[in-house]
Amino acid sequence: GVTQSPTHLIKTRGQQVTLRCSSQSGHNTVSWYQQALGQGPQFIFQYYREEENGRGNFPPRFSGLQFPNDSSELNVNALELDDSALYLCASSDGTGKETQYFGPGTRLLVL
Amino acid sequence: GDSVTQMEGPVTLSEEAFLTINCTYTATGYPSLFWYVQYPGEGLQLLLKATKADDKGSNKGFEATYRKETTSFHLEKGSVQVSDSAVYFCALRDTGRRALTFGSGTRLQVQP
Repeated sequence: GVTQSPTHLIKTRGQQVTLRCSSQSGHNTVSWYQQALGQGPQFIFQYYREEENGRGNFPPRFSGLQFPNDSSELNVNALELDDSALYLCASSDGTGKETQYFGPGTRLLVL
Repeated sequence: GDSVTQMEGPVTLSEEAFLTINCTYTATGYPSLFWYVQYPGEGLQLLLKATKADDKGSNKGFEATYRKETTSFHLEKGSVQVSDSAVYFCALRDTGRRALTFGSGTRLQVQP
């Protein structure tokens, strides 16, 4: 399945954070979502074969990487209090009609 | 743009009651529709999906039918259990889009 690390993280405003995700075996597409408390997930961006393949309404301080082994990172610079959320990674097989399978998430708290 | 509207929660039911969670959507193309479930402290699990009009998705006793004429994808279960207590999210992926668009979620509480 999809794994994410760390499970929980506490940072202070202005700091930078890196979250990690390992895709399900055979999947070459990874998407990242932000889920604020009590809300549905919001799409941040998607990577396919190491290239950004679509982006939601998030500022450039949210950036990502995808590696040849299909693992992925989400980087957030200059953290703000509103960045406190559950960050979800989802992998899929990139066929166009694919289903996205989610990891357990990383809960980030910004103080 | 694309959007998903779910009924407000929490929905509180007794064990073995019938469940309906309403979901309606707006999309420009021919979306695929999904129900995901989130148990406390966990990520999202795919519950069921439907990719075209009149398709019925089903899993673990849950069902939903893709109704293009009413732009709906209501979730139903004939007899809920305490273990079904969770937050349920309706979602769509529109034609040619990368992202899933989610509703705000409906919390289900099943009492013994």
